[in-house]
Amino acid sequence: QSVLTQPPSVSAAPGQKVTISCSGSTSNIGNNYVSWYQQLPGTAPKLLIYENNKRPSGIPDRFSGSKSGTSATLGITGLQTGDEADYYCGTWDTSLYAGVFGGGTKLTVL
Amino acid sequence: EVQLVQSGAELKKPGESLKISCKASGYSFINYWIVWVRQMPGKGLEWMGIIHPSDSQTRYSPSFQGQVTISADKSITTAYLQWSSLKASDSAIYYCARPSVMLRDGWVDPWGQGTLVTVSS
Repeated sequence: QSVLTQPPSVSAAPGQKVTISCSGSTSNIGNNYVSWYQQLPGTAPKLLIYENNKRPSGIPDRFSGSKSGTSATLGITGLQTGDEADYYCGTWDTSLYAGVFGGGTKLTVL
Repeated sequence: EVQLVQSGAELKKPGESLKISCKASGYSFINYWIVWVRQMPGKGLEWMGIIHPSDSQTRYSPSFQGQVTISADKSITTAYLQWSSLKASDSAIYYCARPSVMLRDGWVDPWGQGTLVTVSS
């Protein structure tokens, strides 16, 4: 049981937009930044979004992040087959004094 | 370029000990925490614990306290994760990664390539 809650799967057609939600509490998302990670099959996770809505160098602006209260959302526009991956949200939990992740969401581009 | 390079895959028997490594390069090793993350087969990411190489201060998540030991050798910019007696349930991919300087900023980058640990009789 992960501390952060994500939908197990989402799907959309190529070129379309998809959003992935991440729900937490005041001890984590509510009072700390949210980050998002992409894990392509057989590879290590890669940072996509940090501090709620910032993109590291090299991440296309098709990827966006937002946060409101104790929830966060990852948005991906112009879907490509290469976007098929597992996506994880993460944040710091002040009560646990540890990082926490969501259970992951599998994106299928139909 | 900031890089974390992990040791290779391991096949061990239950009860055996194991120490895997994570070699850091491209940044000041003593100025950043290192985190170990577990990913069991087909499952999500789990934060195991962190170490600050400057003084080897460690913090373990409750689920992993007493189950593993995290250490670091700043002279060779390498962090370690070790088990004294492996169980089949320790079979997983283990990633090392570098958290943000301010831990509560909550992001992790970069990640090592992962070490697959298989425990089977």
